Amino acid sequence: LAKTTQPISMDSYEGQEVNITCSHNNIATNDYITWYQQFPSQGPRFIIQGYKTKVTNEVASLFIPADRKSSTLSLPRVSLSDTAVYYCLVGPMNTGFQKLVFGTGTRLLVSP
Amino acid sequence: GAVVSQHPSRVICKSGTSVKIECRSLDFQATTMFWYRQFPKQSLMLMATSNEGSKATYEQGVEKDKFLINHASLTLSTLTVTSAHPEDSSFYICSAIGSPVHHSGANVLTFGAGSRLTVL
Repeated sequence: LAKTTQPISMDSYEGQEVNITCSHNNIATNDYITWYQQFPSQGPRFIIQGYKTKVTNEVASLFIPADRKSSTLSLPRVSLSDTAVYYCLVGPMNTGFQKLVFGTGTRLLVSP
Repeated sequence: GAVVSQHPSRVICKSGTSVKIECRSLDFQATTMFWYRQFPKQSLMLMATSNEGSKATYEQGVEKDKFLINHASLTLSTLTVTSAHPEDSSFYICSAIGSPVHHSGANVLTFGAGSRLTVL
């Protein structure tokens, strides 16, 4: 299981772009990188998933370098409602799926 | 898209009683579900892996007789906290593998909304 390392916390202001980087040096060939957002007293919510290069959806972008040993979640123009904990999760997503272990996550605080 | 429903969202019980939490996969079948536990300001901790039709696999340090897991169907897994004590008070979250709305890639782990257990 690939262990992940993220900054414990980040601060930003409304309207800014936020980039959160996750290190996963032991990522395996079959592993995908998935990011989740969690608000207090709620279950984690899927944000984006990628395997390599760049992935973009309606809420975020995910940048993965060629060696896949890290990934960066990019949130464009954050708002106060983006204040949450963000988790990077690395693991295989096939039918032989095994458990995924969460790291510490990054606590993002967006201020006015 | 995959939705995981968890019930109840909040439960308060007296010490010594048992509490059951249900986790349902809506519109998709989940042969494997996972149960996590989360304390305030901490990350999610995996408790056990629930497999349909077989015994659950518990993580080290998690008492299987304390946290009974049943996965009798492809859409339902239950977690029963037996003889609950105040130290069992926590946020319990289940998850299953499915594909959320607007996602066309590989499967993802989809989470329920969580269940807040308070033991008095």
